[in-house]
Formats: sequence, C-alpha cells, structure tokens
Amino acid sequence: DAGVIQSPRHEVTEMGQEVTLRCKPISGHDYLFWYRQTMMRGLELLIYFNNNVPIDDSGMPEDRFSAKMPNASFSTLKIQPSEPRDSAVYFCASSSTGEPQHFGDGTRLSIL
Amino acid sequence: KNQVEQSPQSLIILEGKNCTLQCNYTVSPFSNLRWYKQDTGRGPVSLTIMTFSENTKSNGRYTATLDADTKQSSLHITASQLSDSASYICVVSAIGNNRLAFGKGNQVVVIP
Repeated sequence: DAGVIQSPRHEVTEMGQEVTLRCKPISGHDYLFWYRQTMMRGLELLIYFNNNVPIDDSGMPEDRFSAKMPNASFSTLKIQPSEPRDSAVYFCASSSTGEPQHFGDGTRLSIL
Repeated sequence: KNQVEQSPQSLIILEGKNCTLQCNYTVSPFSNLRWYKQDTGRGPVSLTIMTFSENTKSNGRYTATLDADTKQSSLHITASQLSDSASYICVVSAIGNNRLAFGKGNQVVVIP
C-alpha cells in the first residue's frame, strides 16, 4: 500500500525562481495537509484541504505561497518568487476523519 | 508561546538503557495527544494516540502516559536500540479543530 508520495525529494534553486512541490495523498483519504519544518520553528501547518476544498490557509506565510488540489489524488504547493528564507523541508500529509495523519517523506528545499 | 512544550530538547543514551521524554501542553478543549517518531530524512510516523480517558498506551517498547488534569504526557522507551535514534514529536489536537499543535520534538541519539 503506497503511502503519501511527494516530489521532488530535493530542490535547489536560485532566489526569485518559481518552485512547485507535488503531493499524491493516500487513496481514499479526504484530508490533505501541507506543512513546513525548520529547526527553529518545528512543524508548522500551512494549509489543509477537505474533499479538495481549502479549509484553512491561515498558515500560508504570504501571497508568494499558493496551494491547489485539482482532484482527490493530487495537490501542489507553489512559491513564486522564492526567497532564501523559504528554505525548509515541506511535508504533505493525508488522513481520513479521526485517523492519524500519514506524512510523506518531504521535499527538502534550498533557495540560494 | 507554543502550546506544546517538550523536554529535554535532546539527549544521548546508551543502547539498552531506558529514557523518558516529557510533553506539556496548553491546548484546550483537549481531544487527543499523539506521539510521532521522525527518522532523519523521513516524515513523522504515529506511535501512539491517547484520548482524555486514557492514562497509558503501549506500542512495543514505547509506552506513553497522559495526565489530562496536569496536561502532561510522557513517552518512555524501554531497552533502547540504535534504531530508536530519531526525533519524537508530541502532537495535541483540540475538539472540533483539525489544526494540530506540534511540539518541536525531543532529539534522541542512542549510542552503542
């Protein structure tokens, strides 16, 4: 049974470039979460979807960040333009109601 | 102030020894508390979950306790193994809220 799949695993890009992170949730899960993890702040929720609809995006740092979920099996997190302070590990997680969140292995993003 | 505080931030233990990790929280109204294990370069994986009425929950060599009155939880690792080297994250959820409150984790290093 495949878990949450994220791509790419690593991304290095220059400041100002557009970055797109991708996530495939576990089939049948109706919740999808995007997190950012840094040493200083730990895990922070950016946004979550229920049945493909964004429910809470209050954690999205600023307008440079956007997330979409066009269907139940795919979501993207986009940063445009990227800045060095966006460097972090970005996790996607999915769950069914009442179940634990299952995390992908993350995308390690470095903005130079 | 973070709603979930964990201590110690990091510790080193000898293989075969026991250790206990602490989690204090202020999340209210309390729904449940989970301990996650995060291996280096991987996403967090749920170890245990406890609701208000549960005092203890075990998963192999991991035993979690919960005191909902004092809002404290602990994770005890028995007879540690090298594979226990990881970050252990305490996660608390509130009733009616899908946003989780994350601690910054306890970094455990088991040495031979």
